[in-house]
Order: sequence, then C-alpha cells, then structure tokens
Amino acid sequence: DADVTQTPRNRITKTGKRIMLECSQTKGHDRMYWYRQDPGLGLRLIYYSFDVKDINKGEISDGYSVSRQAQAKFSLSLESAIPNQTALYFCATSDAADASNTGELFFGEGSRLTVL
Amino acid sequence: ELKVEQNPLFLSMQEGKNYTIYCNYSTTSDRLYWYRQDPGKSLESLFVLLSNGAVKQEGRLMASLDTKARLSTLHITAAVHDLSATYFCAVDIFRSGNTPLVFGKGTRLSVIA
Repeated sequence: DADVTQTPRNRITKTGKRIMLECSQTKGHDRMYWYRQDPGLGLRLIYYSFDVKDINKGEISDGYSVSRQAQAKFSLSLESAIPNQTALYFCATSDAADASNTGELFFGEGSRLTVL
Repeated sequence: ELKVEQNPLFLSMQEGKNYTIYCNYSTTSDRLYWYRQDPGKSLESLFVLLSNGAVKQEGRLMASLDTKARLSTLHITAAVHDLSATYFCAVDIFRSGNTPLVFGKGTRLSVIA
C-alpha cells in the first residue's frame, strides 16, 4: 500500500458542486501539503499544515479550504467548484528539515479533478 | 520571496547525448531537491542536496549544488529513452524550518532515438 493515499483518484463534477479530496498517510510525518499542478505552471501550493492545529494558506488558496482531522489526514475542499479548478491535485507529507531529516516531500498518486 | 527558475523548460535530446538542466533560485538556501515525474504519475524524489558543493549521482543522472551561485545542475550522461520525464527542482529557504519548498516549473525531457 502507498504511504500517502489520495481519494478519489479521478473525479468529474459540475460547476457549483462541493468537492472534497482526501489524503491519508502512514509515514508518521507531521507536515502535510496540498499542491495543484497545471500544464506549464509546475506545482503551486494551496495549503499546508505543520501539525494538527496548524493551517496555513499557500500561493493559491482562494476557492479552497482544508481540514486537518488528525496527524495522518488532511482534506482539501472546493466549496463551489469552477472550471478553472480543473487540475491534478497532489497531497504530500514531510518531516521538518533538520539534522536528522532531509525535509523532502513524499507525494500521493494525485487526484485528477475535472469541473464541467 | 523565493523564486526558482529552471531552464530549459523543454528539452528534446538524442539518445547517447549529454545535457544539463539548470535550477537557479533567488535567495539563500542550503537545501535543494530534485524530483522526477512520469506523464500522469506522481513525483518521485531523485536527489536531496544539503550543502554547498554537494554532488549526488545515480545511474546516468548527477546533481550538484553551488549555494554561492544559487545554482543547482542536473547532468544527464548518455541519455536513454527511459529518462524521458519531467524534472523538477525545489528549494528550501535558508534554515527557515517553517516554510514549504518552492518548486520550479519543471523541465520536460524527451529522449529520442
């Protein structure tokens, strides 16, 4: 089983619908992230959380919200989906970078969302 | 604000040739990461470079870090088709501990026969 699991892997929805993407991890990391990938734009950070009580906006948080339900779970919501939110979404986890840890990100398999 | 620039963004190269992908960043950093992404797949960690002068090699790929020049390179030796993928660099702000990695836009590499 994957260390970082995203559900659903694919979703087609209509404009105005509420969508939730879920992420769970078994790596024991405190830090979790949601990124969005669009062709030619690389990865852009939506939200991140460094522990259960910590939520931070990233570069492109408008139109999104998150919930950190537990150390292992971090969900991303689109309250009212719009077509320009069609993208590939990645969840990632990491340890804090220090003398013992590299701080590298470990990614889930991705959730492809299409908003019609 | 930390900015990360990769070049080239697209690279088509012949099998057997050598080439270098460059990753420049705008503020001081001492950690740099390289990732590979196959089409429609997730990102896979390739290298973690943790200090000035760090060099890591795996197979036909070699990555290096020059923190004074704010530059990392990913060198491809004698390219093969299996190396076709998109390569991303990502940078950590110097000893911040509390900011996420910033990614470059990626270099899409196509190795042709």
